[in-house]
Amino acid sequence: DAGVIQSPRHEVTEMGQEVTLRCKPISGHNSLFWYRQTMMRGLELLIYFNNNVPIDDSGMPEDRFSAKMPNASFSTLKIQPSEPRDSAVYFCASSSSGGQGDTQYFGPGTRLTVL
Amino acid sequence: KQEVTQIPAALSVPEGENLVLNCSFTDSAIYNLQWFRQDPGKGLTSLLLIQSSQREQTSGRLNASLDKSSGRSTLYIAASQPGDSATYLCADKETSGSRLTFGEGTQLTVNP
Repeated sequence: DAGVIQSPRHEVTEMGQEVTLRCKPISGHNSLFWYRQTMMRGLELLIYFNNNVPIDDSGMPEDRFSAKMPNASFSTLKIQPSEPRDSAVYFCASSSSGGQGDTQYFGPGTRLTVL
Repeated sequence: KQEVTQIPAALSVPEGENLVLNCSFTDSAIYNLQWFRQDPGKGLTSLLLIQSSQREQTSGRLNASLDKSSGRSTLYIAASQPGDSATYLCADKETSGSRLTFGEGTQLTVNP
């Protein structure tokens, strides 16, 4: 299995631009998580989906952030408009529910820089 | 609100030493606890997952223990190697359907 796939790996954009991050979870996994990691705040959960349905989006910082999961093999995290304080590494992770399947597998991350 | 704390924030040891990383959580009613490793510029790699009904899990030179009553977990690394240098994070899950709450991590350096 290729693991969790994220694209792009690096994104540099200017303030005010729209940014879309993409994630392909591990085949067969039914839970998908979006995290943000910064030096100041550490690793924070933004939103997670179970069976393509958003379950907990309380970590989404504000209305500028939105996430979708149109099918079991694809999810997007969109920031519109982007701001310099959104600069961080964004991770996607997936898992299958229950027992040892609770192990979350992380993608390599997207390093976002907003100028 | 669950809080997860890791001590120490950084640790430097000579190669071959056995070491213990600590993780504490405020609410003992957890579903499971997971230890991860993160290399610089990379994502997280799951090392061990302990269910609430378990006391420990072992994988190779790694052993993780869980004591719910005291709100603590430890990660024991035997015979440390330079390749073990990384940041180690613990995270707990309160219920089957809930989020992981991460600690801030312990940055480990194993010197040759």
